[in-house]
Parts: sequence; C-alpha cells; structure tokens
Amino acid sequence: AQSVTQLGSHVSVSEGALVLLRCNYSSSVPPYLFWYVQYPNQGLQLLLKYTSAATLVKGINGFEAEFKKSETSFHLTKPSAHMSDAAEYFCAVTQTGANNLFFGTGTRLTVIP
Amino acid sequence: DTGVSQDPRHKITKRGQNVTFRCDPISEHNRLYWYRQTLGQGPEFLTYFQNEAQLEKSRLLSDRFSAERPKGSFSTLEIQRTEQGDSAMYLCASSFREGGYTFGSGTRLTVV
Repeated sequence: AQSVTQLGSHVSVSEGALVLLRCNYSSSVPPYLFWYVQYPNQGLQLLLKYTSAATLVKGINGFEAEFKKSETSFHLTKPSAHMSDAAEYFCAVTQTGANNLFFGTGTRLTVIP
Repeated sequence: DTGVSQDPRHKITKRGQNVTFRCDPISEHNRLYWYRQTLGQGPEFLTYFQNEAQLEKSRLLSDRFSAERPKGSFSTLEIQRTEQGDSAMYLCASSFREGGYTFGSGTRLTVV
C-alpha cells in the first residue's frame, strides 16, 4: 500500500524566509513522488517530481525537494518565500505500473508580509 | 495545446438531479484520470482510462457514478441522483506515460 503524510496542515512564514513543507511517504516499492500547488478554486499545478533519477529535484518557481530513502521523506523547500507562494501544497506518491496518485491532505502555506 | 480543459467550472444542482461533467485531455495523452477533492482534503482517485478502455475504478465510484471515454479523446463523468455528499471539486488529469500527469482546473459541484 502507498500513502503520504504531510506534517503540518498550516505553515506560516515571513516573506523572504525559508519555506519547508514536510512529506513522508510509505511505499513497498521504489516510489515516484510529486509536489503540486493549488491556488483557490483552481486545479493542481505540478511543481516538481522524482522518478528515480537525481535525488535532489529542482522545480518551478524556485522550489526544490530532496528524496531521502533512509528517512522515507520528500520535503519541499524554497530559500526565500514570496507573497505569491501562498497556496495549498500537496505531496503525492505512485509507483511503476500504478494507475493513480495517492495524495496527502495538503499543507496551506501563508506568507506574512 | 491548451492543457486539460474541464466544463463546466461550477455546477449547482438540486439533490436528486443528474449532472454530467466533461474533460478534454491534452490531445496526445492516451491516459485519463478522474479525481474527487472534498474541502480540506487531497484529491482521491476515482477512475482511469487508457484510450477508450476504463481500466480501473475506485470503490469511491458508487453505482450512481459512471464515466466514459467513447473515442479515447474527451471523457464524461455522470452522477445520477445527486446527494449532498457529492459536493466536491471533480478534477480530471491526463498523461502520456507514467509520472506525467497534467490536471485541469476542475469542476466544483454544489448539491443543494
């Protein structure tokens, strides 16, 4: 069975501060991992994905995530938060041969001016 | 290529009515997925098509729900005899291969 756990349903950071959103996964086989961002009343936009290549994955808008097998983690970071980063962020997992993504419950990021 | 399109963006319906949503995937994508997202939750998988074949259905997809992809292009999701618990955002995604999911903007259903 596959699942993801996102620690912290709400995270607040000051503008310019480091963003760290946590995701831990459970998978019995090598996973594919994703981070998506969702703005109010919008669909999901892919930020980045890990598909068994480099463990440090760079995405759009300055975000990156590191796959750590020993910690079963795929935390999302950004060195300096911008007001436009305020949104809901979802971590998701799947595996080779699977036909669907399993999503976490999301983390709402608030950026304080 | 305009991405994945979903129509309508919003739908308000009375309990007991039937509703149908449409999804137009990216043209070269042969895989199409439907997800449901309730307030404060992550999306949950409903069903998956490869070309016109519906290959997987979640147990969330009750008998009142039916999805089709008749020619392997657009897809429809119909909910019969809607209930208040059906109120959610319905998301469509498409991909050409594993790991390349592109989501649409969703259809928000409100059952009153």
